[in-house]
This record gives sequence, C-alpha cells and structure tokens, in this order.
Amino acid sequence: DAKTTQPNSMESNEEEPVHLPCNHSTISGTDYIHWYRQLPSQGPEYVIHGLTSNVNNRMASLAIAEDRKSSTLILHRATLRDAAVYYCIKKGGGADGLTFGKGTHLIIQP
Amino acid sequence: ETGVTQSPTHLIKTRGQQVTLRCSSQSGHNTVSWYQQALGQGPQFIFQYYREEENGRGNFPPRFSGLQFPNYSSELNVNALELDDSALYLCASSLVGFDSPLHFGNGTRLTVT
Repeated sequence: DAKTTQPNSMESNEEEPVHLPCNHSTISGTDYIHWYRQLPSQGPEYVIHGLTSNVNNRMASLAIAEDRKSSTLILHRATLRDAAVYYCIKKGGGADGLTFGKGTHLIIQP
Repeated sequence: ETGVTQSPTHLIKTRGQQVTLRCSSQSGHNTVSWYQQALGQGPQFIFQYYREEENGRGNFPPRFSGLQFPNYSSELNVNALELDDSALYLCASSLVGFDSPLHFGNGTRLTVT
C-alpha cells in the first residue's frame, strides 16, 4: 500500500506548537516524505519534504524517525490560518504522482 | 513569478458530453500533472506530462486524456462524461525529479448532471 497513516483530525490552540504525526512503515530507502496542506476552497500547498535528516523551513519543521517509518510535522506557533487538511505522502522515483490519503484535519481554536 | 492558473473555475456539463480543462504552469516548470479530488477525499493522480509526452498515469480510463504544449500550458480532456466525474480537478506543475515540490492551482470544479 503506497499510502501513509495519519489521524483523521487534531485540535490545537492558537499560538501553541502543533505536532502532526504520520506513519509510513512501508517506506523504501529512496522514498522522500512530503507534506502538503489544503486550505478550504484552494489547491494543495507544499509545506516541506525530507529524506533522512530533520528539515526546517519558514513554514514548519519535519522530524523523521531514525528508522524512517514515521515522521512528525511541527508547526511551531499555530495561527488560525494554519487550519487546513494536512497530507503526509511518501514519494519514490518514477512518474507515478503523489498518493494522497485523507489527511489530518487540523482545527485551531482561538 | 506567476503561479499555476486554471480555467474555468467552475463548469457544469451533461452526462455523455466532453469537457476540456486548461492549466498554465508556473514559469520555468517542465512537468505538469493532473489530479481529481472528490468531495471529502484526497486528490487522486490522473497523469503526468514531461516534454509534451505522458510519462505516468494513475488508475483512470482512456477517456481521460491530456496535452502539454511547448509553453508548458496543458489541457485535461474527459470524454463521455459520467456522473461520478463530478469533482475538483487540480493541475500541478514542477521541475522533473521525485523530490521536487508540486505547485498546485486552485482547481476547476466540474459538475456533471
């Protein structure tokens, strides 16, 4: 199965950190972990991706487990604009596109 | 830099008709892919084009076809529309390479009646 496993929904408070988990136990050595998010009425938006090491960018951090079978997307200080569906995707070589699951619906409380 | 733009934003068609959806890729991107997103579901990969040729396809029948033009704009064509084709159709552009991020447009909402 090419899909990953994520909780259906999570809730957090504004200005607090958010940790979104993802399991990808069938990952192969060359698969990258990609995270996208989709705000209401918009197309998916790239957030971050990584292979083995932890990654940081202006939007988020990605922590990848040593065995690479799981990862965590970290939003350091959530805002109301971070409310979205977050998708964790493992992507290997080839032109077979991204396999999206149902993602995690993140709710941010003011 | 311009982002990915799609047209039209909304479309209503009748079962059995044909439809063409259009996409303009982000400047400099040489790969375009199309996705179908049913309500409440994640996007599903339809196909990908690189250098004007289809080089990857998901589990969609041949009545879903596409074109990529030299200026990296593209089209998605769907023949013999079925009610289940009602969905949001998303176009994404990227550079070639499986670690290259995809840049999505905001989609075309197709309703088949």
